[in-house]
Amino acid sequence: DTEVTQTPKHLVMGMTNKKSLKCEQHMGHRAMYWYKQKAKKPPELMFVYSYEKLSINESVPSRFSPECPNSSLLNLHLHALQPEDSALYLCAVGAGGRTDTQYFGPGTRLTVL
Amino acid sequence: GQQVMQIPQYQHVQEGEDFTTYCNSSTTLSNIQWYKQRPGGHPVFLIQLVKSGEVKKQKRLTFQFGEAKKNSSLHITATQTTDVGTYFCADPSGGSYIPTFGRGTSLIVHP
Repeated sequence: DTEVTQTPKHLVMGMTNKKSLKCEQHMGHRAMYWYKQKAKKPPELMFVYSYEKLSINESVPSRFSPECPNSSLLNLHLHALQPEDSALYLCAVGAGGRTDTQYFGPGTRLTVL
Repeated sequence: GQQVMQIPQYQHVQEGEDFTTYCNSSTTLSNIQWYKQRPGGHPVFLIQLVKSGEVKKQKRLTFQFGEAKKNSSLHITATQTTDVGTYFCADPSGGSYIPTFGRGTSLIVHP
């Protein structure tokens, strides 16, 4: 379970702030994902990186900006967020392909004031 | 991925009772995955079922994939307080093979 790490664990930010969420994997998987999860709801896919290239953007607002500096790191840059963006942000990794399974990090619990 | 319907949304049981959650799809699934998320935690992969009629066991957990590959179930025998959490089924049958999660079933175990 500690092979995918996320920092910070908690983040409180104002609507004018700029912050970044970080994810690091030590599993060597080629696919990396960002999910958003609201309380009592399933994870909702935001972005997918495959071999460090953005392959899927699920119509996410531009105030969320992903970045994949290398095969181990995934960032999510946040700017001008809204209170409704408060949620648990999960990073996941997978091998990709038909039987891909998702290995999730512990998440960052974000509160936008 | 396809939209899988998962029921029930919540289930309260007394410790020691059994528990079952069901996932149903209107279309044939290539495979189905199950995840568990503890309160305050993150989803953890439990198992993947691929073959028609497949049954897999993990201690007190039994996973089944229907013969038509349109439904799946997770059954827990003699629940314990450690079983508390939300169980999600996920369908990776879409073109990008990324799992689409069901709504989840939250299991509450009363000691």
